[in-house]
Formats: sequence, structure tokens, C-alpha cells
Amino acid sequence: KQEVTQIPAALSVPEGENLVLNCSFTDSAIYNLQWFRQDPGKGLTSLLLIQSSQREQTSGRLNASLDKSSGRSTLYIAASQPGDSATYLCALHSGNTPLVFGKGTRLSVIA
Amino acid sequence: EPEVTQTPSHQVTQMGQEVILRCVPISNHLYFYWYRQILGQKVEFLVSFYNNEISEKSEIFDDQFSVERPDGSNFTLKIRSTKLEDSAMYFCASNSVGTGELFFGEGSRLTVL
Repeated sequence: KQEVTQIPAALSVPEGENLVLNCSFTDSAIYNLQWFRQDPGKGLTSLLLIQSSQREQTSGRLNASLDKSSGRSTLYIAASQPGDSATYLCALHSGNTPLVFGKGTRLSVIA
Repeated sequence: EPEVTQTPSHQVTQMGQEVILRCVPISNHLYFYWYRQILGQKVEFLVSFYNNEISEKSEIFDDQFSVERPDGSNFTLKIRSTKLEDSAMYFCASNSVGTGELFFGEGSRLTVL
């Protein structure tokens, strides 16, 4: 059974700092991995999707990497802003299972 | 930009009452899902729906739950007799390919008293 872990659970950084959020998974046989953003009490906004054949994806200040062999993905946020404050969720498809989520990393960017 | 829409945004109900949560998936999508998130916990899969039938369901999705696509646009989740532990945020999602990028709605917050 696929397990997804996100460390740290919470992170607080000053504005302008570059940061890395981590996601690890137990079963490397995945189809794809998706990073989401969730604001308090709100829905899930898709940020990046990485297919199993890809190593990374970039969108603006966000860069997600995937290393299947080590069961890890990272989300890199460059030049963080207070508006980046949210919970970031990692989720993945493996086998024929539906999307499995981690518990998320709650990010606070302090002005 | 196309989006998944959900109604109501918040519903408060008494234990034992029936609840229907509604979703309008993105129009050209073929796969539909319900997930839920109990406060402070992970987002959990409930059920997937394709070609007018359930394709997969979790152990959470017991006989008290049902889904329906009553017309070409709506996708509903019904809870027949709500329990206190059904209090959660319920998310509808859709995609065009079963293992493709998943798009979520804003959620329906259900509070069972």
C-alpha cells in the first residue's frame, strides 16, 4: 500500500528566502506525482504534475523534482512571498490506485 | 478557465438526516471523484466514477454513501443517514484521463450535529 509522507509538517520562513518542501513515498512504481496548494478552508489548486518519465517540472517560481528510485519528490519555491503562505500537498498515482495524498506542509512566509 | 464547481459550500445537518452534495465537473472530463478531508487530516479517496458507474471505492464508502450522475453535467454524492464522524470537507474532482492531472473543486463543508 502506497504511503506518502511530507516533511516538515510546518515551516516558517522570512520573505525572499528560497525553500524546499519534501515528499517521500514507499512504492516507486508510480504513474505521476502532483503538487497542490490548499489555502485554509479552501479547495486544492493543482500546481505541478510530474509524469513518471520526467525528472522535473517548472512553473514560474516553482520547480518540482522527482526521483523514483529513492522515492522522493521536492517542491522548490524561489524568492518566497507572503502570498505563498498555504499548505502544500503532495499526491501520487501508483498502480491502478486513486490519488494518494500526504498530510501536507503548512508554509508561512513572514513579511 | 474551466473549473469544478461544488454546492453547497457549507451545509449543517442533524445526525440521521440525508445530505446531497452536488458537483459540476469540467465539461470534457470523463472521470469523476469524491474525496474528503476531516479537519487536520489527510485528503482521503472515497469513490471514482467512469462511464456511468463506480470504478473504484474505498472502505470509507459504505452503504450509507451513493453517487449519481443524473444528467450530462451534475455529479452528486448522497449520504443517507449522516453520522457525527461524517463531518468533513468533501471535494469533487475530475480529469480527462484516469491517471492524469486531477482538478478539484472548492469543497463542500459538511457539519453534522
